[in-house]
Amino acid sequence: SQQGEEDPQALSIQEGENATMNCSYKTSINNLQWYRQNSGRGLVHLILIRSNEREKHSGRLRVTLDTSKKSSSLLITASRAADTASYFCATDRGGTSYGKLTFGQGTILTVHP
Amino acid sequence: ETGVTQTPRHLVMGMTNKKSLKCEQHLGHNAMYWYKQSAKKPLELMFVYNFKEQTENNSVPSRFSPECPNSSHLFLHLHTLQPEDSALYLCASSLGDRDGEQYFGPGTRLTVT
Repeated sequence: SQQGEEDPQALSIQEGENATMNCSYKTSINNLQWYRQNSGRGLVHLILIRSNEREKHSGRLRVTLDTSKKSSSLLITASRAADTASYFCATDRGGTSYGKLTFGQGTILTVHP
Repeated sequence: ETGVTQTPRHLVMGMTNKKSLKCEQHLGHNAMYWYKQSAKKPLELMFVYNFKEQTENNSVPSRFSPECPNSSHLFLHLHTLQPEDSALYLCASSLGDRDGEQYFGPGTRLTVT
């Protein structure tokens, strides 16, 4: 599997439900970032979690990071139809590679009204 | 609007054409990036510029030629492309610091015929 691999590949839920997406990676990291992409558009940064952090919140978003398992999860609470998009995790290995993000293939989230 | 603009938004070119993609950021950032997004593949980092200096060329074929005249502008010059080069080309910028989130433009949808 590739660095920054998300699962599930697709997720379909009803408005108001919570959505959880997972990301696994292979190498040590400096930070891990989550991005959202609406169909055919640019990516929007959602949240960044550093390797020494375990959990971070931003509005309805909650991100966890487990460096021992090399995994992260993104939870969107009380989802809305406007949350329908693709979600990507990206890892930054730091050092001489900082800023050189490696992206996963993403999770396609569909929220039905 | 993220403060990163890309032109053109759509481009159709033949394999013998020469064209250029343009990216401009209005955020005062020091690092700029080109990514390629193909269907069913993760976002691929192509080039990185920090303070106008190229710091990454991710084994990109020479038919793609980047140019960064200043820290606000980034170009991708295209010549003798192949149909498999058809993709969404995304530009991004960041402060260039160690924990830099990246701001993406809307992308250029390129079709090579």
